[in-house]
Amino acid sequence: QLQLQESGPGLVKPSETLSLTCTVSGGSISGSSYYWGWIRQPPGKGLEWIGNIYYTESTYYNPSLKSRVTISIDTSKKQFSLKLSSVTAADTAVYYCARVRIIIIPSIDYWGQGVLVTVSS
Amino acid sequence: DIQMTQSPSSLSASVGDRVTITCRASQSINSYLNWYQQKPGKAPKLLIYAASSLQSGVPSRFSGSGSGTDFTLTISSLQPEDFATYYCQQTYSTPDMYSFGQGTKLEIK
Repeated sequence: QLQLQESGPGLVKPSETLSLTCTVSGGSISGSSYYWGWIRQPPGKGLEWIGNIYYTESTYYNPSLKSRVTISIDTSKKQFSLKLSSVTAADTAVYYCARVRIIIIPSIDYWGQGVLVTVSS
Repeated sequence: DIQMTQSPSSLSASVGDRVTITCRASQSINSYLNWYQQKPGKAPKLLIYAASSLQSGVPSRFSGSGSGTDFTLTISSLQPEDFATYYCQQTYSTPDMYSFGQGTKLEIK
């Protein structure tokens, strides 16, 4: 059974960089039929797509966040990571890592449990 | 950008009811539409992909229909565990813009 687990600081200061890592277990991170993505959800609000990465390291970022986002992948460690720079209180959210299955149509078939990141001094 | 609009934003229903949630895209997305269920404090769960295909392990009381710009999620007979928030998502666009609807909260009447 595939599992994804986010890790990283739960508290980040304004203007600093948010860094999260997602560790994949129970399956391959190098498959050609999947992207690996990040989605966030501010408290009490809806879901926002952040971006995703293919095992070849091709990346796709939400244009509204593109100037601040970097997603990377380390297939040897079965991990992919999110960096979001110059954070503000508006970046406070639960951050989910996810697998995007690209068979038939892209759809998120596995999610991490999510990690709450609070931006505050 | 493709905007996804769900209606209603919230809905009260009783166990055993038939419920329909609608999702409208701002432009045609063919059948590139997914539905997710999210319970409080939990990650979303994929219910329906490609507008009408049931994800493995999802009860058959869930069904999806539509193509182009208008889509529906139907729960044929509500069960207590179905009270949750439901989101649609389009994946027709390039992978940088897989946008979600704003969500529909299904509550117990």
